Amino acid sequence: AQSVTQLGSHVSVSEGALVLLRCNYSSSVPPYLFWYVQYPNQGLQLLLKYTSAATLVKGINGFEAEFKKSETSFHLTKPSAHMSDAAEYFCAVSESPGGTSYGKLTFGQGTILTVHP
Amino acid sequence: DAGVTQSPTHLIKTRGQQVTLRCSPKSGHDTVSWYQQALGQGPQFIFQYYEEEERQRGNFPDRFSGHQFPNYSSELNVNALLLGDSALYLCASSPLQGFGNTIYFGEGSWLTVV
Repeated sequence: AQSVTQLGSHVSVSEGALVLLRCNYSSSVPPYLFWYVQYPNQGLQLLLKYTSAATLVKGINGFEAEFKKSETSFHLTKPSAHMSDAAEYFCAVSESPGGTSYGKLTFGQGTILTVHP
Repeated sequence: DAGVTQSPTHLIKTRGQQVTLRCSPKSGHDTVSWYQQALGQGPQFIFQYYEEEERQRGNFPDRFSGHQFPNYSSELNVNALLLGDSALYLCASSPLQGFGNTIYFGEGSWLTVV
């Protein structure tokens, strides 16, 4: 079975500061990893994904994440926070092709990001 | 090109009733998955449909059932509603091949059970 742990249910930063949202995963097979953002009363928007290509993945809105197999981590970062980044962020894992659960996303509990002026 | 569309957007049901939620996948996508997102939690996988068959299922009771039509659209049915079924229900579509590269979520259907 796969699982995701997001460290910190709430993260608060100042505008212009570094954003770091932590995600650790557990998977018995090579994983695919995703970060999604959810604004209030909306669905999920894909920020970026790791699908076994480059370990440093760049996404939309200036976000990036690095897959570290040895640490089973996929932390999300952004060099400079904007007010518009305030939202809830979800890390998710899926098995890669060939896995019995390929196509199923397992999500973490989410991290609410607050950005202060 | 429309993305994933879900209906209805909001609905209120009474305990014990039944509900049907609908999802139209993005054009070209043949796989539909359903997720339940309770307030303050991450989405939880309910089941996935491909070629009109349930391909895999999460840890949800049989009260949750689904269907996929030949045009790839899908329905989620929940019988004997409980208060705990109140949640945002999300539909995701993707091609089964290349799932990791293209998976899109709809805006969801908010279900309140009273």
